Formats: sequence, structure tokens, C-alpha cells
Amino acid sequence: SAVISQKPSRDICQRGTSLTIQCQVDSQVTMMFWYRQQPGQSLTLIATANQGSEATYESGFVIDKFPISRPNLTFSTLTVSNMSPEDSSIYLCSSIDLGGRAPNEQFFGPGTRLTVL
Amino acid sequence: AQSVTQPDIHITVSEGASLELRCNYSYGATPYLFWYVQSPGQGLQLLLKYFSGDTLVQGIKGFEAEFKRSQSSFNLRKPSVHWSDAAEYFCAVGARSNYQLIWGAGTKLIIKP
Repeated sequence: SAVISQKPSRDICQRGTSLTIQCQVDSQVTMMFWYRQQPGQSLTLIATANQGSEATYESGFVIDKFPISRPNLTFSTLTVSNMSPEDSSIYLCSSIDLGGRAPNEQFFGPGTRLTVL
Repeated sequence: AQSVTQPDIHITVSEGASLELRCNYSYGATPYLFWYVQSPGQGLQLLLKYFSGDTLVQGIKGFEAEFKRSQSSFNLRKPSVHWSDAAEYFCAVGARSNYQLIWGAGTKLIIKP
């Protein structure tokens, strides 16, 4: 299975600023995803990061707030822009393992714990 | 509408006791089924998965799950829990035709010494 790392692991930011989260996979993967997990909640898919094209955003998430890059098959970034305390969450990167038998068998990074003051 | 229900928000079990976490889903067809575990401060780790075939699947850390089509359930079990099993457990289902997963709300497992 793919091994995924994320940087930073945690951060405390001031409102109005932006933070870019990096996600690195140790092998080439077809699909990468970004999730938000608000305190005590389940996972909510923000977007699918597409290599070579714009990300596909889920309802309620927009590119201006959460710009995403995917320059190659092993790397993606998520930026949380103009942050407010409501953005305080864990942000998780995941990927689809090409070796998995199911197209939606996802592997996750350790997450980035963001606190906005 | 497609949905996943984990009816228990919290479950408290004594160390060494057996465990069953419930997961029910509403889906148009038989989906792929997953259980993930999230330890405190960690990302999600895949415990086990069901694609087809034997309805009783074995996973890591001594966990197993049984798919019951008639009940639209995929309950997670462990015969004897350890203090290190304290974590949040998420059930997820996915279509056989695309990549998206639908997530349950999670069940927090608390282990009593």
C-alpha cells in the first residue's frame, strides 16, 4: 500500500492568513483526495486533486477558499485561504492504491491539525 | 439516498471483553465496504474491507467483520479488546463504479481497565 506523508503535522494560525498543506505519496497514484474532519465529526470530502487539471470540488467547497495543486502523480497541496476559527479542523490527504482491487480503497496520510485563532 | 449509519457514538468495553461495532448502510447495490480506525492524533488506517466472496472478512489487529446482505450491515467484531484498541472507528461504503466513499459518523471506543 502507498505510504503518505503530510506537512505540517499541526499548526496554529491567525485569522485572515493562509496555510498550505503538503501531501507526498511514496508511489505514483491515480487519484488523490483532500478531506476535512471537524472536531468530533466524520470525514467530509473537500475535493479530488487531478493531475494536470483543476481539482474537482464537492458541494460547499470552492477553489478560492481551498485552492489545490497536483503537479505530478505523487504530490499535492491544499491551501486554506483567509482562515477563520471555523476552519479549525484536521485536514487529511488520501490516495487510491493502484494495487487495490477496489477503485475506492483509500489510504490516508497522518493528517494536519489546524487551529485558527 | 445513500447513507451509512453507525448508531453508537460511544461504546465502553472492559479490557478483555468482546466487541461489536455496528454499521448499516443504504445503497442501491452491493457496495464495497470498509472499516477504518483512527487512533488519537493519527490519520486513518484501513482495518479490513469486503469486495465479494466470503462474507466474513478478517482484518488487521485481530478484527473481523461480517457482511449481511439481508440486513444491509457490516458489523465489526473483536473477541477480546486491548487497551490499545481505544480509538475512533469509521465504517465506509463505496460504489463499484467510482471512487467516492460514503462515511459513517464514527464510533468512539473507550476501554475500561
